[in-house]
Amino acid sequence: DTEVTQTPKHLVMGMTNKKSLKCEQHMGHRAMYWYKQKAKKPPELMFVYSYEKLSINESVPSRFSPECPNSSLLNLHLHALQPEDSALYLCASSYYNEQFFGPGTRLTVL
Amino acid sequence: QKEVEQNSGPLSVPEGAIASLNCTYSDRGSQSFFWYRQYSGKSPELIMFIYSNGDKEDGRFTAQLNKASQYVSLLIRDSQPSDSATYLCAVNDGNTPLVFGKGTRLSVIA
Repeated sequence: DTEVTQTPKHLVMGMTNKKSLKCEQHMGHRAMYWYKQKAKKPPELMFVYSYEKLSINESVPSRFSPECPNSSLLNLHLHALQPEDSALYLCASSYYNEQFFGPGTRLTVL
Repeated sequence: QKEVEQNSGPLSVPEGAIASLNCTYSDRGSQSFFWYRQYSGKSPELIMFIYSNGDKEDGRFTAQLNKASQYVSLLIRDSQPSDSATYLCAVNDGNTPLVFGKGTRLSVIA
């Protein structure tokens, strides 16, 4: 089973809202990732967690706050987003090198 | 700056033909090579990975790697309209995050 789940599928939020994206995997993968993808562009790495610790932050604005409560869960907390943050947010996990993506959350910021 | 180059396409092939997708990479230290398929509005799906020079076959898909030429390709035999998607090439050295190409859009014409 190579399933990564993400909730919600769609999210519409105002610029003053606080919301969270959730990602879950039960494959025993020890690395988890957040990506942002705009239309017709490749995924853009935001954060990497390795063994539940943040190992890479690709200079992401502080309005995005990741959290890894345990080895199966990854959250992305959103606050004071801008309309240009509207995108598909992808979670992924990997054991060694093979990385598997979840279905994504389509985020619209009004 | 590590780069992965792909022709953006669209690459149009008739149904039943072989589709050939190409990718070059700049980092000679790259060790792992991946092909993802992404349907419009969906998340990337890992369809092939290759670590050693030569060919690797899985069903209708063949990945080919030539490290000396820093070139990796994906062949899709007996192309079907359902293969129409964007194909993303991704590369890493085994220790760093994946570097994605911009993707090639494939259109299989019935």
